[in-house]
Amino acid sequence: NAGVTQTPKFRVLKTGQSMTLLCAQDMNHEYMYWYRQDPGMGLRLIHYSVGEGTTAKGEVPDGYNVSRLKKQNFLLGLESAAPSQTSVYFCASTNRETQYFGPGTRLLVL
Amino acid sequence: GQQVMQIPQYQHVQEGEDFTTYCNSSTTLSNIQWYKQRPGGHPVFLIQLVKSGEVKKQKRLTFQFGEAKKNSSLHITATQTTDVGTYFCAGARLNDYKLSFGAGTTVTVRA
Repeated sequence: NAGVTQTPKFRVLKTGQSMTLLCAQDMNHEYMYWYRQDPGMGLRLIHYSVGEGTTAKGEVPDGYNVSRLKKQNFLLGLESAAPSQTSVYFCASTNRETQYFGPGTRLLVL
Repeated sequence: GQQVMQIPQYQHVQEGEDFTTYCNSSTTLSNIQWYKQRPGGHPVFLIQLVKSGEVKKQKRLTFQFGEAKKNSSLHITATQTTDVGTYFCAGARLNDYKLSFGAGTTVTVRA
């Protein structure tokens, strides 16, 4: 039982490049979330999903897209990366009570 | 939208002393959760409070939910070096599966 895993752990992008962050959970959770964490700002919700095939916008969705084609996976895409998207990205899944977080992805956009 | 404010942002504590971090919401919450994030790590769930006025204890940590369900506090007694990290509160509204996180209180401990 791995819980929540994220790939990659670290990535450097140039402005304008695209990439996809993968989140996978093996706890059969319905709800999954993508957050970004920046110094002094806590965790801000980017997008979330309440079930396979559904997605919804969170607090800071601009510049990101998501997909939930399979219940266990939640993908976060950056179509054209910008330096403002330099951050640590956390995925989480929940059983409606506790949110379980992945180890995070550190993204640097130059 | 819902906002969760957390103070203080930083807490420097002498080992053995007590401290408290506070969380306030602009709206009534269904429940409030607390998480701890060690330096370089990811947030880890500590506890959930649901009832008005609820108080829960975990060893040296005491969590409280306000009567109006709009504020909460975390009190740590006899701080140890293992308490180092950032403590986040996160609130949820009724029938809302999203959490709004406070900015966190980052705790450092002087030995």
